[in-house]
Amino acid sequence: AQSVAQPEDQVNVAEGNPLTVKCTYSVSGNPYLFWYVQYPNRGLQFLLKYITGDNLVKGSYGFEAEFNKSQTSFHLKKPSALVSDSALYFCAVSKAAGNKLTFGGGTRVLVKP
Amino acid sequence: GAVVSQHPSRVICKSGTSVKIECRSLDFQATTMFWYRQFPKQSLMLMATSNEGSKATYEQGVEKDKFLINHASLTLSTLTVTSAHPEDSSFYICSASARGRRYNEQFFGPGTRLTVL
Repeated sequence: AQSVAQPEDQVNVAEGNPLTVKCTYSVSGNPYLFWYVQYPNRGLQFLLKYITGDNLVKGSYGFEAEFNKSQTSFHLKKPSALVSDSALYFCAVSKAAGNKLTFGGGTRVLVKP
Repeated sequence: GAVVSQHPSRVICKSGTSVKIECRSLDFQATTMFWYRQFPKQSLMLMATSNEGSKATYEQGVEKDKFLINHASLTLSTLTVTSAHPEDSSFYICSASARGRRYNEQFFGPGTRLTVL
């Protein structure tokens, strides 16, 4: 079975400071890893994915994530957070292309001015 | 590209009625569509996976007769909540996996808020 853990329910950060949202996963074989963002009453917006290749993945809106196989982690980062980054962030994993995604519990990010 | 729409975006119905939610891939053919539900302040839970022209595969604990899924074409899947009750009130989100696209990643619709009175 595959699973995702997002250990922090909420992350608070001041605008302009670095933002990190943690994610660890468990899956058999090579993982396909994703980050999505959700604004209130909206669907999910894709931020980035790791399939293979370079461990550092760059995505939308200045976000990036680093795949760490030994630690089974895929933390989301942004060097300088904006107030508009305040939203709910989900990490997800699947074990093959096109397979069902398993989502983490979500982390609410609050960026204060 | 890779846009997924849902209709309606919001629906309120009386207990005992049935509600149909449509999920469309607007600019690509979807090999597979997924249906999720999300309770307030919670994560997405996969309900079922549907492939065009075949029966949906439901996740454990999801009632097949209550949540009817039809994937009639490569661009349309529908979820019908039959005999809805207040506990069915939730945010329903669909996603579509694009045929021919690399890694078959999923593209998500904007969601449908269902409120059962």
